[in-house]
Amino acid sequence: SQTIHQWPATLVQPVGSPLSLECTVEGTSNPNLYWYRQAAGRGLQLLFYSVGIGQISSEVPQNLSASRPQDRQFILSSKKLLLSDSGFYLCAWSFPGELFFGEGSRLTVL
Amino acid sequence: QKEVEQNSGPLSVPEGAIASLNCTYSDRVSQSFFWYRQYSGKSPELIMSIYSNGDKEDGRFTAQLNKASQYVSLLIRDSQPSDSATYLCAVNPSNTGKLIFGQGTTLQVKP
Repeated sequence: SQTIHQWPATLVQPVGSPLSLECTVEGTSNPNLYWYRQAAGRGLQLLFYSVGIGQISSEVPQNLSASRPQDRQFILSSKKLLLSDSGFYLCAWSFPGELFFGEGSRLTVL
Repeated sequence: QKEVEQNSGPLSVPEGAIASLNCTYSDRVSQSFFWYRQYSGKSPELIMSIYSNGDKEDGRFTAQLNKASQYVSLLIRDSQPSDSATYLCAVNPSNTGKLIFGQGTTLQVKP
């Protein structure tokens, strides 16, 4: 069966520091991968999606970037975090239209 | 602007009752619809998918879809305290994983 893992689960970062969140999927090949963010009191917002290695589409202009260096690896990054980057970051994969989430990474920017 | 609207609640029901959660969407071309359950501090979990008009039942859960009215609902029969969570309605306008989510309805089931 397919599983999706994210890490770290929780992190607290100062404003201006870099960020790297990692996500890996097991049990499937060439998955469509997604990064969503859930800010406090707000709904889930799609940030990036990828249909293959090196193929990234951005949905919202922001301080973040994404990369897909391997088929089942998806990374969310920032060079300098802002307070507004705080939230619950969720990696997901889809098959074919249903979306399945990882455990999430909770980011607090201070 | 494609939107999915849900009443934020909280919706409070006694244990054993039927909980009814509602959702409306604005994009008429949407073809697939989903309900996710999210416990506090956890990631959303897919509990129901529905693609055609009518009812779809899975255990204590029934999803209802009315495309003409652009309306999706989730019924939970014999509600249990463990059903207490936030329920997210999501719409897929393009058969990808680019879902549009509502803000969620918080359900409280009281023993």
